[in-house]
Amino acid sequence: QKEVEQNSGPLSVPEGAIASLNCTYSDRGSQSFFWYRQYSGKSPELIMSIYSNGDKEDGRFTAQLNKASQYVSLLIRDSQPSDSATYLCAVPAFPGGGADGLTFGKGTHLIIQP
Amino acid sequence: KAGVTQTPRYLIKTRGQQVTLSCSPISGHRSVSWYQQTPGQGLQFLFEYFSETQRNKGNFPGRFSGRQFSNSRSEMNVSTLELGDSALYLCASSSFRGTGELFFGEGSRLTVL
Repeated sequence: QKEVEQNSGPLSVPEGAIASLNCTYSDRGSQSFFWYRQYSGKSPELIMSIYSNGDKEDGRFTAQLNKASQYVSLLIRDSQPSDSATYLCAVPAFPGGGADGLTFGKGTHLIIQP
Repeated sequence: KAGVTQTPRYLIKTRGQQVTLSCSPISGHRSVSWYQQTPGQGLQFLFEYFSETQRNKGNFPGRFSGRQFSNSRSEMNVSTLELGDSALYLCASSSFRGTGELFFGEGSRLTVL
């Protein structure tokens, strides 16, 4: 069974600093990786997806993937209080992809301190 | 464009009862998946529907079932409710199946007493 592990936190980061969120996964065959953000009392929303080894940047967000180490991370530059949320790492639940079932980690609770 | 709509938003049931939750996906989205979220287990995949067919199912007992209609709207049903079924049930839709790009509804919060 696929597993996705995240440090639950809370991870406290001062405003303006870089927040680094980490995730490891068990299935070496996973090909796609997702970061969802969930504000308290709200539903998850997709913020980043990454498919290839290396970095992918989107605004203040950078996703990093290392398939050899089975490790994916999310960096948030110039952290803002509005970034305070739970960040969920996810991989496809079924081999070969092509389906919308995702296996989620339990999430890291990020707190940006003004 | 309207988002994913789930009804009811809140409901309270007692053990042994059954419940039906409804989900209307974003217009044009044909893939609908359901998730259960609890503080202890996090967000767990229940099942996925595409073109009125269940395509995949997560590791949940047979008491959990669902269906999808020709207009892509979906329902999930939980029979013989147990206290442990208390959770937030989230529906998600996607425009292209398999991309992992899910749009979630606000969820139906079920409390079982």
